Amino acid sequence: QKEVEQDPGPLSVPEGAIVSLNCTYSNSAFQYFMWYRQYSRKGPELLMYTYSSGNKEDGRFTAQVDKSSKYISLFIRDSQPSDSATYLCAMKETSGSRLTFGEGTQLTVNP
Amino acid sequence: DTGVSQDPRHKITKRGQNVTFRCDPISEHNRLYWYRQTLGQGPEFLTYFQNEAQLEKSRLLSDRFSAERPKGSFSTLEIQRTEQGDSAMYLCASSSQGLPPYNEQFFGPGTRLTVL
Repeated sequence: QKEVEQDPGPLSVPEGAIVSLNCTYSNSAFQYFMWYRQYSRKGPELLMYTYSSGNKEDGRFTAQVDKSSKYISLFIRDSQPSDSATYLCAMKETSGSRLTFGEGTQLTVNP
Repeated sequence: DTGVSQDPRHKITKRGQNVTFRCDPISEHNRLYWYRQTLGQGPEFLTYFQNEAQLEKSRLLSDRFSAERPKGSFSTLEIQRTEQGDSAMYLCASSSQGLPPYNEQFFGPGTRLTVL
């Protein structure tokens, strides 16, 4: 079983829709939770990070972490065609350096 | 451009050949990471340097793989006797030391390896 599970999609939505992306994990030691965006043939870029449980909002993006359920989410409001990319969740233990990624969800926002 | 750079961007090689990739991190970053990403998967951790010291290696890093960071600046990843299963995107990332957000890992564009 993978430490981090993510629905690979693909997910296709109309412009302006609310998008919900999710990951589950099994390692209780994960304390830092991140969402990366990766455009085709590019390296991942960090969108948001959250420490432990709770919510964090940044513009049209909201990240949620529920450690009791080992479940994290990323919501994108008013989605735009430029949001079309692969979204990767990533997690890190407090003492570790490595990031453990989900397999990514491919999102397409149609004009 | 002051981001992480990787060279080459693409490499095609025949099975059994050796290949070497280079990563130049963001200049003030003392930590450097290598990840491997296969098609349709997320990046998988390979190894990590703090300055010139290699502090962690994944079980994925077989004996055919070796990484160096001789002066604590750029790093090289060498794969000996390449196999078709080595075909992947090799990503380099760098970060500074400290707690988030200061230790955010910034990724380079990757080197895409194809082994024929």
